[in-house]
Amino acid sequence: KAGVTQTPRYLIKTRGQQVTLSCSPISGHRSVSWYQQTPGQGLQFLFEYFSETQRNKGNFPGRFSGRQFSNSRSEMNVSTLELGDSALYLCASSMGPSGSGNTIYFGEGSWLTVV
Amino acid sequence: GDSVTQMEGPVTLSEEAFLTINCTYTATGYPSLFWYVQYPGEGLQLLLKATKADDKGSNKGFEATYRKETTSFHLEKGSVQVSDSAVYFCALGNSGNTPLVFGKGTRLSVIA
Repeated sequence: KAGVTQTPRYLIKTRGQQVTLSCSPISGHRSVSWYQQTPGQGLQFLFEYFSETQRNKGNFPGRFSGRQFSNSRSEMNVSTLELGDSALYLCASSMGPSGSGNTIYFGEGSWLTVV
Repeated sequence: GDSVTQMEGPVTLSEEAFLTINCTYTATGYPSLFWYVQYPGEGLQLLLKATKADDKGSNKGFEATYRKETTSFHLEKGSVQVSDSAVYFCALGNSGNTPLVFGKGTRLSVIA
């Protein structure tokens, strides 16, 4: 059974640009969550989608957005990139909503560097 | 709201030493509890979980027991190896209306 797949794995962007990251969940999983991980702030929750609906959103500015498609694949977008957006972006999927006690499974992440 | 508190790291141990990483939680009701591990350069992996009081989760020699009376879920391993060097995250899931709540992570370094 294939795991959570994130693309691209590594990317470098310039300040002011925008970026789109993609996540393919485990087959049959309908919930996708996104996290930002940095050395200074640790693991921070961005948002969660379940059956194409955003269920929860973390404390991030509106430059961070996401969506989920009917096949449960998800994308997140960051517009007007800032140096502080450099981070590992992790996607995780689960059968049901993550807070319901469902185990969530992580991808290997997308490493974003903003220069 | 729900929260998880882990012991601050980093933790440095010699090979074959006993490991304990403390995790306590604050939550209403009966949450599910998890330990995730992140090896260098990788995403997080589920290490073990427990879904009700007194449950013991175990995997790869690691164990944690869900203690409702002390609201704790401490991670233990009897004899650590260099390959256990990683960051360990305690997490809590309590409601379909809120996301999984993670602790800040504890970095473990095991030296030969």
